[in-house]
Amino acid sequence: GAVVSQHPSWVICKSGTSVKIECRSLDFQATTMFWYRQFPKQSLMLMATSNEGSKATYEQGVEKDKFLINHASLTLSTLTVTSAHPEDSSFYICSAPPLNTGELFFGEGSRLTVL
Amino acid sequence: RKEVEQDPGPFNVPEGATVAFNCTYSNSASQSFFWYRQDCRKEPKLLMSVYSSGNEDGRFTAQLNRASQYISLLIRDSKLSDSATYLCVVNPNAGGTSYGKLTFGQGTILTVHP
Repeated sequence: GAVVSQHPSWVICKSGTSVKIECRSLDFQATTMFWYRQFPKQSLMLMATSNEGSKATYEQGVEKDKFLINHASLTLSTLTVTSAHPEDSSFYICSAPPLNTGELFFGEGSRLTVL
Repeated sequence: RKEVEQDPGPFNVPEGATVAFNCTYSNSASQSFFWYRQDCRKEPKLLMSVYSSGNEDGRFTAQLNRASQYISLLIRDSKLSDSATYLCVVNPNAGGTSYGKLTFGQGTILTVHP
């Protein structure tokens, strides 16, 4: 099946710093990618839809200035958590739907811990 | 009411047992339904899609009742490797670029013990 890769898989940072997470589709092109967040023992929540060549679409309650999304190419989307705080500590997962496959593929996830 | 609701469990069953998970969804216009499996600290992986006619994949059987807005997953002859969190997932749209706007249940934890 299609492969979606995320990097880094684990990151620890100090409060106030910015962290960038990359999501790559390795063997297909993705005009759209999705960013989810999962807190412990909770369900995945969609944060935003990343659109290649245009602005991302954010879900209600997600601060676009805090969670910067860039979809610079058909195989790469990045999520930057700016001025991270401990409450941003979470499991961030990206996903991408290859066209006409009927399945959504997820990256391995990135676990962010903000001290 | 949550959009997708599951019994969080945990379910603790012995090897070989049959276990069933239930899920309800609130959006009657939802078009597609899935069960995903998520291992601890890992990304979700598709277990199976759920069709109105019901579908089976080996030891796993999924059922959909649109009238009751209810989805189920049955696991027969449980294996130790079945231990995971099972996510009920609903897509309000049929597909296309909206495919990724999935709504996840909070997951049901299953532990299969020897």
